Amino acid sequence: DQQVKQNSPSLSVQEGRISILNCDYTNSMFDYFLWYKKYPAEGPTFLISISSIKDKNEDGRFTVFLNKSAKHLSLHIVPSQPGDSAVYFCAASLPGTYKYIFGTGTRLKVLA
Amino acid sequence: DAMVIQNPRYQVTQFGKPVTLSCSQTLNHNVMYWYQQKSSQAPKLLFHYYDKDFNNEADTPDNFQSRRPNTSFCFLDIRSPGLGDAAMYLCATSRPAVDTQYFGPGTRLTVL
Repeated sequence: DQQVKQNSPSLSVQEGRISILNCDYTNSMFDYFLWYKKYPAEGPTFLISISSIKDKNEDGRFTVFLNKSAKHLSLHIVPSQPGDSAVYFCAASLPGTYKYIFGTGTRLKVLA
Repeated sequence: DAMVIQNPRYQVTQFGKPVTLSCSQTLNHNVMYWYQQKSSQAPKLLFHYYDKDFNNEADTPDNFQSRRPNTSFCFLDIRSPGLGDAAMYLCATSRPAVDTQYFGPGTRLTVL
């Protein structure tokens, strides 16, 4: 049972436009969500996070939105740059645990 | 730079031949994790340590074992690798709090 889902395996966006990556989850007890970026031959690197008590967190070009009623979060990248081309994973954790459940990832390609 | 190091980056073993993957960290984090990631799938948590306290996931096969001799090092032992164990193995660390994880670059295991 996949508790964290990224239904779009890939996404292509023109440079300078907005990239929107989506993530759905099934467990309403998740209290912390993270986005990671992964380049080929490297491990995932942390990008941005959001607590379940918030609905938005912004860091430069990256903004994460959380809609708890819909059990949905999204990552917006504005403006998109070719260097943003990577696989993006969302992950979620339960209160009181140090464990994170990952989605399957979305491969973003930013076209120059 | 503080980091998570995994050796080797690529490991080839034969069916049934024991193999050990290693991970070291200079972050002095209490928590260390091992994930298995197969192509186009989510990273799957195998187990994690909080200091010396070992936490095995319920669905981690008995074929997978781990050792953490000290804070800095953690090993993944696969006692009798099968073809289905071919995957990327990711090590990660974190502080014992709601926080991001820091990943190593991974070891890609091939089973012949």
